[in-house]
Amino acid sequence: GQNIDQPTEMTATEGAIVQINCTYQTSGFNGLFWYQQHAGEAPTFLSYNVLDGLEEKGRFSSFLSRSKGYSYLLLKELQMKDSASYLCAVRDGSYQKVTFGTGTKLQVIP
Amino acid sequence: EAQVTQNPRYLITVTGKKLTVTCSQNMNHEYMSWYRQDPGLGLRQIYYSMNVEVTDKGDVPEGYKVSRKEKRNFPLILESPSPNQTSLYFCASSAGTGYYGYTFGSGTRLTVV
Repeated sequence: GQNIDQPTEMTATEGAIVQINCTYQTSGFNGLFWYQQHAGEAPTFLSYNVLDGLEEKGRFSSFLSRSKGYSYLLLKELQMKDSASYLCAVRDGSYQKVTFGTGTKLQVIP
Repeated sequence: EAQVTQNPRYLITVTGKKLTVTCSQNMNHEYMSWYRQDPGLGLRQIYYSMNVEVTDKGDVPEGYKVSRKEKRNFPLILESPSPNQTSLYFCASSAGTGYYGYTFGSGTRLTVV
């Protein structure tokens, strides 16, 4: 099975940088995803990592260390609209099941 | 516009009355999945489908059925809904097993009384 841990809540200041961590324990691994979910809306895909290292996409970057079962999502130049929940999800060894963490609710304050 | 369409958006029903939540995608995606989202528990996978006529259980399949007769449609059936199935349901699809995230539908908020 899969076990995924993320902090429940975080607060950061507009214009700052925030790092949201995710640790996982899985019976197999074929990729880690990050999604953003605004309150009352559907999740939207942000990033995918399958190899170790950093993937950068504009203000968002995602890092993966498979040996440590660890990932983080880095958000730079925070904007008020970045206030949302950020969901970490892991695809298992069969490529069929994707398990989500419970999400980190980020509040950006002025 | 590429999208996943779920209906209805909101539904209140009574215990035991069979219902179907429809899901359709227009992206020719092979992979489709149903999740329920509950406070403190996150998104939990109910069923998924790798292609037409290929479905399998996720982590919380009890009380649900699915079918995949056509590539674009993946309905979720609750044969005898119970109050513990009150939840927010999401259908999602993806192109495959590589660098493809899910595209989610807008969600269906179901209340069973």
